[in-house]
Amino acid sequence: NAGVTQTPKFQVLKTGQSMTLQCAQDMNHEYMSWYRQDPGMGLRLIHYSVGAGITDQGEVPNGYNVSRSTTEDFPLRLLSAAPSQTSVYFCASNRLQGATTGELFFGEGSRLTVL
Amino acid sequence: AQSVTQPDIHITVSEGASLELRCNYSYGATPYLFWYVQSPGQGLQLLLKYFSGDTLVQGIKGFEAEFKRSQSSFNLRKPSVHWSDAAEYFCAVGVRSGGGADGLTFGKGTHLIIQP
Repeated sequence: NAGVTQTPKFQVLKTGQSMTLQCAQDMNHEYMSWYRQDPGMGLRLIHYSVGAGITDQGEVPNGYNVSRSTTEDFPLRLLSAAPSQTSVYFCASNRLQGATTGELFFGEGSRLTVL
Repeated sequence: AQSVTQPDIHITVSEGASLELRCNYSYGATPYLFWYVQSPGQGLQLLLKYFSGDTLVQGIKGFEAEFKRSQSSFNLRKPSVHWSDAAEYFCAVGVRSGGGADGLTFGKGTHLIIQP
């Protein structure tokens, strides 16, 4: 019972490099999302998806791209990394209950440092 | 837009003492309310949630929370804390969306320190 799996757990990038944070869930959840966690800021929503082929922006989407080609996977792409993107990133999913928002199931996080 | 305020950045409690973590939310209708706990280096784990019905909800690890509409609050309580309760606690609000999920809005967290 893997739940939500994020890779890599740690990554160091140089400014301007690109990378993809992977997220996969095996619970057949329709809803998937990416948050970033910064000290004193709590968690802020970057992007989310309510199903394959559907994505939308959250509170802090700039500098990030997402796609949802399958129900299981929701990768987060940084096209040109900046030091301001140094953060801990969490992927989370849930089962949509009609039109309501349920609890989120979180991955263990990916710590990204941009030099 | 909804918002969540956790007024206490840090709280220190002696082991065995009672605990109350404060959470206030701002939203025009009845929200979904959650408390999550994050241990160091870990993801977030759901402690409890309020959707409707009884305003006193029970969660895991002996935690409970009370929804008070008049005060826009959802404070987390535990009668007797254990050293293992030391962690970061997040209150979150979710909206009742008619067309899909908009994610949760989190407070900035309260860091709980347990003194022996």
